[in-house]
Amino acid sequence: QKEVEQNSGPLSVPEGAIASLNCTYSDRVSQSFFWYRQYSGKSPELIMSIYSNGDKEDGRFTAQLNKASQYVSLLIRDSQPSDSATYLCAVNNARNEKLTFGTGTRLTIIP
Amino acid sequence: ETGVTQTPRHLVMGMTNKKSLKCEQHLGHNAMYWYKQSAKKPLELMFVYSLEERVENNSVPSRFSPECPNSSHLFLHLHTLQPEDSALYLCASSQDPGLNTGELFFGEGSRLTVL
Repeated sequence: QKEVEQNSGPLSVPEGAIASLNCTYSDRVSQSFFWYRQYSGKSPELIMSIYSNGDKEDGRFTAQLNKASQYVSLLIRDSQPSDSATYLCAVNNARNEKLTFGTGTRLTIIP
Repeated sequence: ETGVTQTPRHLVMGMTNKKSLKCEQHLGHNAMYWYKQSAKKPLELMFVYSLEERVENNSVPSRFSPECPNSSHLFLHLHTLQPEDSALYLCASSQDPGLNTGELFFGEGSRLTVL
C-alpha cells in the first residue's frame, strides 16, 4: 500500500466549476497535511496546510481533513485556467518528521 | 537573488562522467534537502541537512554524494551514474528542520539526463 495515494489524473474541469482533488494516507499517526501546486516545468509550492479535522478555507481553496477516514482533499472553487497544474498531497509523519508525497494529480481547467 | 537557486538547470552526462549540482538558499533557513522527482513517482527524499549536519540519508546509492559546506549551500556530487538516475533533482530548504509546518521552499530543479 502506498503511503500517500492520489489519483494521477488527468482531471479535466470546466472553467468556473469546482475542482475536487483527493488524497488518502496510510499512517494513522500522521498529524500535518499539505497541498503543493506544481506548474509544468516549475518547482512545487505550498498552497494549503491543514492540521485538524474539518475544513480550512483560503480564498478559492478549501482543504478538508478526515483523520478517521485517513482522507484529505482540496477543493478549488471558480476554477481558472491558471489553476491548471499538478497538485501534490504531502503528509508529515510525526514519528520521523518527514514529508511523504503522493504522485500528484494533474488538473486541467478547460476554458 | 532570492529564494532557492539551483545550477545547472539542465545537465547531460555519460555514465563515466563526474559532475555536481549546486543549490543556494537566500532565506536564512536551517535545513536543506535533495529530492528526486521521476515521472509518475512521488517525490523521493534523498538527503537532509540540518544546521550543516546530515540527518537523513534515505538509502541513496553511493554514486550520489552530498556536501553541505555551510547553511546556505548544498551540493550533490554525481559519479558513474546509471540511465535510471535521469530525473529532476530538486533542492529545498525549510526554516523548521522538523517540518512541522510542512513548508519547503523548492528550487527550480536540475534536469539530469544520463546517457
